[in-house]
Amino acid sequence: KAGVTQTPRYLIKTRGQQVTLSCSPISGHRSVSWYQQTPGQGLQFLFEYFSETQRNKGNFPGRFSGRQFSNSRSEMNVSTLELGDSALYLCASTEYPTGQDPFFGPGTRLTVL
Amino acid sequence: AQSVTQLDSQVPVFEEAPVELRCNYSSSVSVYLFWYVQYPNQGLQLLLKYLSGSTLVKGINGFEAEFNKSQTSFHLRKPSVHISDTAEYFCAVSGAGAAGNKLTFGGGTRVLVKP
Repeated sequence: KAGVTQTPRYLIKTRGQQVTLSCSPISGHRSVSWYQQTPGQGLQFLFEYFSETQRNKGNFPGRFSGRQFSNSRSEMNVSTLELGDSALYLCASTEYPTGQDPFFGPGTRLTVL
Repeated sequence: AQSVTQLDSQVPVFEEAPVELRCNYSSSVSVYLFWYVQYPNQGLQLLLKYLSGSTLVKGINGFEAEFNKSQTSFHLRKPSVHISDTAEYFCAVSGAGAAGNKLTFGGGTRVLVKP
C-alpha cells in the first residue's frame, strides 16, 4: 500500500495570505488527523476527521480549519497567516476510528515571511 | 485529558551501547501508547505501539518498550544502538476506545549516537 501523502512538501507564504494543505490517507483509512510541529510548542493536535465529520478539535484559533472529502482525502486551511504559523504540518491516517494505527505523512513545511 | 512527559530532552550514547528513553503519561481513561521516530526533515515513523495484552512490546529496528500501568510509564529501550539511530523520538498517548484518533505527544528526546 502507498503511504500517507502530503502536498505540497514545502511552501513559502507572506503574512496575511492564506494557505491550503492536502493529505491523502492510506487506502482504506477513513480517519485523518492534523498536527502542527514547531520547535517551541512541539507536536500539537489540530483536528481529526472521520467519514467527512470533524470528531475532535485542538486548541487553535478559528483561522485554522479543515475538511474531509468522500474519498477520505483531507485539506486544512490557514487564513490570515502569521509568522508564528511557520511550522511542519503533519497528517496521520488510521484504518480504525479508535486510533489504533496512526501512520504519518512526510509533512508540509510552511514558512511565513 | 492526557499528558505525556519525556524525562530526557537529549541522550548522548556511544555506538553499540544500550539506550533507554523514558516516558511517563497521565490519563483518566485507558490508553494506547506509541513511540515514533523522526529523522531530520521527515515525518514520524511508528516504532511500536501498546494497545492491550502483553506489557512488553517489540517494534522495528530492534526497539522494545514496556508498559507499566502502576507507574504510568512506557520506556523505550534498545540493547545496542547504531549511528543510524541518531534521531528524535516521541512518546504519544491516545484514549482507547471511542475517544477518537487524537494523539498527545511528549516533548521528544534527541538521541545522538557517537562513534
